[in-house]
Amino acid sequence: DTAVSQTPKYLVTQMGNDKSIKCEQNLGHDTMYWYKQDSKKFLKIMFSYNNKELIINETVPNRFSPKSPDKAHLNLHINSLELGDSAVYFCASSRPTGAGGYTFGSGTRLTVV
Amino acid sequence: DAKTTQPTSMDCAEGRAANLPCNHSTISGNEYVYWYRQIHSQGPQYIIHGLKNNETNEMASLIITEDRKSSTLILPHATLRDTAVYYCIVRVANYGGSQGNLIFGKGTKLSVKP
Repeated sequence: DTAVSQTPKYLVTQMGNDKSIKCEQNLGHDTMYWYKQDSKKFLKIMFSYNNKELIINETVPNRFSPKSPDKAHLNLHINSLELGDSAVYFCASSRPTGAGGYTFGSGTRLTVV
Repeated sequence: DAKTTQPTSMDCAEGRAANLPCNHSTISGNEYVYWYRQIHSQGPQYIIHGLKNNETNEMASLIITEDRKSSTLILPHATLRDTAVYYCIVRVANYGGSQGNLIFGKGTKLSVKP
C-alpha cells in the first residue's frame, strides 16, 4: 500500500478553471502538508494542517485552499488557475511534531495552458 | 529561507563512498539536522537526522561536528540509484506549528557514475 497517495498524477487544464488535487495517507499521521515545486526545482511549503491548526505560507495566493474531510485526507483546491500555477505539487504527512520525518507523495504535475 | 549551505553539485564513482557536506553555522541549540533526497520525478525521501551525536541507519551515516556548525552525510557505497538531489535541513524537532516546518534549500545534485 502506498503510504501517501496523490491523485491525479498529471493534470492539464486551461487558465481560469478550478481544479482539485486529492491526497490520502494511511500512516496514521496527524499532520499533513502541501508543497509546490516550480520549474527551477525549488520546493516551497504552502500549508501545514492538523486537526487543530492550519498554517498558511503567507506567499500563497488565496486562490489556493486546503480542505480536510478527515485526518487521513488533505485535498488542495485551486480557483481561477493561472499560468504561473504550473508546477509539481507534493503532499506530505508526519506526526504532529515532525518526529520520524515527513513522508511525501509522488507528486501531481499541474500544467495550466 | 533555508539556513544551510551546500555545494550545488558533486560527482561520485559507483561503489565509492559519497560524502556530502553541509554548513549550518547559525544552527540553534534546539535544532536538528535533517537530510532528505529527491530522486528525479519522485517525492522527497527522508534519509536521516541528528542533533549532536553521529547517527547511522540502513541508508546512510550522519557526522555532525562538535560545534554543530557543519555536518556530512555519508553514503558508504554509492550506487547509480543514489543519483538524486540531497537536501540538508535544520529544523526544530518535536515541535509542531510553523517553526517545525521542513524548509528546503537548493540542495546538492549528486551524480553517481559507473
